[in-house]
Amino acid sequence: GAGVSQSPSNKVTEKGKDVELRCDPISGHTALYWYRQRLGQGLEFLIYFQGNSAPDKSGLPSDRFSAERTGESVSTLTIQRTQQEDSAVYLCASSMERDNEKLFFGSGTQLSVL
Amino acid sequence: KNQVEQSPQSLIILEGKNCTLQCNYTVSPFSNLRWYKQDTGRGPVSLTIMTFSENTKSNGRYTATLDADTKQSSLHITASQLSDSASYICVVIPLPNTGNQFYFGTGTSLTVIP
Repeated sequence: GAGVSQSPSNKVTEKGKDVELRCDPISGHTALYWYRQRLGQGLEFLIYFQGNSAPDKSGLPSDRFSAERTGESVSTLTIQRTQQEDSAVYLCASSMERDNEKLFFGSGTQLSVL
Repeated sequence: KNQVEQSPQSLIILEGKNCTLQCNYTVSPFSNLRWYKQDTGRGPVSLTIMTFSENTKSNGRYTATLDADTKQSSLHITASQLSDSASYICVVIPLPNTGNQFYFGTGTSLTVIP
């Protein structure tokens, strides 16, 4: 596709369940980012992938959060044993290596933990 | 401490009127500053980029200004339209930029009413 694609767009889950969120970046974009956006708050950095380099996981809030990326394509963000405070919009963004300061965002996954 | 502060937090204006959104930052030195527009239920989209040497830049009805001495930027919207209703996010990229350092403001929520 032409843009960053995220799925599902909405996810409702019960506390304690695991969830997996998917991101398809723009083809050719080597950098991929995950952000969390709580209602009325700014974007919170979670994790950054750049090519085949080791990812920057410094933003992950706990060991319940993990993410993987296959080469320079699809990424999945996994949240284990979800808690109510995990409820938020999870945004994925990608950028080209030569212009890594312009982010292209997906529409996000709205996660609701009941 | 958030190094990018935006004001006002929210704003309601009549269609056709002008408005100005403010962004104050403490990030220094910085590479560039971007304004993003985030429609409800969508990811942010880049509107304009300002480098430290630029004072003003226009993109249609949007005009961004930058005062690197006072570390302030503004986004002026002329002849507002209903479709301008969105959250506007100021993002500052520091120097050096390791590729994953973006300082996000919490945004200004703009509502344009008929």
